[in-house]
Amino acid sequence: KQEVTQIPAALSVPEGENLVLNCSFTDSAIYNLQWFRQDPGKGLTSLLLIQSSQREQTSGRLNASLDKSSGRSTLYIAASQPGDSATYLCAVDPGTYKYIFGTGTRLKVLA
Amino acid sequence: GAVVSQHPSWVICKSGTSVKIECRSLDFQATTMFWYRQFPKQSLMLMATSNEGSKATYEQGVEKDKFLINHASLTLSTLTVTSAHPEDSSFYICSAEREPDEQYFGPGTRLTVT
Repeated sequence: KQEVTQIPAALSVPEGENLVLNCSFTDSAIYNLQWFRQDPGKGLTSLLLIQSSQREQTSGRLNASLDKSSGRSTLYIAASQPGDSATYLCAVDPGTYKYIFGTGTRLKVLA
Repeated sequence: GAVVSQHPSWVICKSGTSVKIECRSLDFQATTMFWYRQFPKQSLMLMATSNEGSKATYEQGVEKDKFLINHASLTLSTLTVTSAHPEDSSFYICSAEREPDEQYFGPGTRLTVT
């Protein structure tokens, strides 16, 4: 059974810092992995989608990497800003188009 | 871009009543839609897969008679929580599949049962 874990559960950093969010999954047989952002009480915003054949994806200040063999993905946020404060979720698609979500990392960027 | 809407965005209902949540794909047709539930400080959990024109497929542990799903058209799926109880209070999110590997998520519906 696929399980997705995110570490740390919460993170508080000063503005401008570069940071890394971690996601691990137990079964390397995934179709893709996606990182989402969720603001309090709101829905999901897709940040980056990495197909199983890809190693990384970049969008602006965000970079996500994927290492299937070790069951890990990282989301790198450069030059963090207070507006980046949110919960970040990673989710894996095991090939059934049904995402399995991690519990998220709650990020707070202090001005 | 692909847009998925949900209505209502939040709803409060009394215990024992039923509430319907709509999920619409606004600019594309979706044969398949998914319903997720998120309890506070927990991850999103898939409840069911909604297929247009056929019965929904429910995940283990989800009561199909309590969470009625109707996918009557290619742009609309509804989730009805029947005889709602306080423990059903949660954040419900739908997603719609435009292509086999393209899912777009709705903004979610917060349900509070008093």
